[in-house]
Amino acid sequence: QVQLAQSGAEVRKPGASVKVSCKASGYTFTDYYMHWVRQAPGQGLEWMGWINTKSGDTNYAQNFQGRVTMTRDTSISTAYMELNGLRSDDTAVYYCARVGTTNYWGQGTLVTVSS
Amino acid sequence: SYELTQPPSVSVSPGQTARITCSGDALPKKYAYWYQQKSGQAPVLVIYEDNKRPSGIPERFSGSSSGTMGTLTISGAQVEDEADYYCSSTDNSDRFLFGGGTKLTVL
Repeated sequence: QVQLAQSGAEVRKPGASVKVSCKASGYTFTDYYMHWVRQAPGQGLEWMGWINTKSGDTNYAQNFQGRVTMTRDTSISTAYMELNGLRSDDTAVYYCARVGTTNYWGQGTLVTVSS
Repeated sequence: SYELTQPPSVSVSPGQTARITCSGDALPKKYAYWYQQKSGQAPVLVIYEDNKRPSGIPERFSGSSSGTMGTLTISGAQVEDEADYYCSSTDNSDRFLFGGGTKLTVL
């Protein structure tokens, strides 16, 4: 069965960086793009970008251009999302997701930004 | 920038039909997707490509699209359908976006 297993919760200070991982299993990793979506407490879903897991090409939401980097390691079927210059309003649950006609989402990773 | 607009809340009694709308200028050319999110859980896809239902989603969930408006319809809403619902689509640069979400209350 398809599973997306994300890394655990993180706490960072303002200005720091965080890197969240998403390990895929149950399907051919490079057959599907990986998306990243976040949700601040009590707020809606916000799409951050996708990575073409085969080529490594990326497409980022304008709100995150210059601050986010999505990468992947095909040898271990894992996608990564790194966010720099963290601010308190980056506190959110970050999800990786395989979207399309069938959807699979990771369990979410809580990133807390606090001084 | 491109936006998808949803009503903040919709309320129905059990057994009634709930309709949640999503307005976006690109919807005549781009598919709408609908997600259900219950408290503390990851979103679940309930409608894709405007009107298709994934395996395992009850038949009471349906989708339609007309012009710049997409609509998620829950026919005979159940108490367990109470959740936040989000529409999603893409822009001309293949960037995804979500609507602001609609809280559905069934009571």
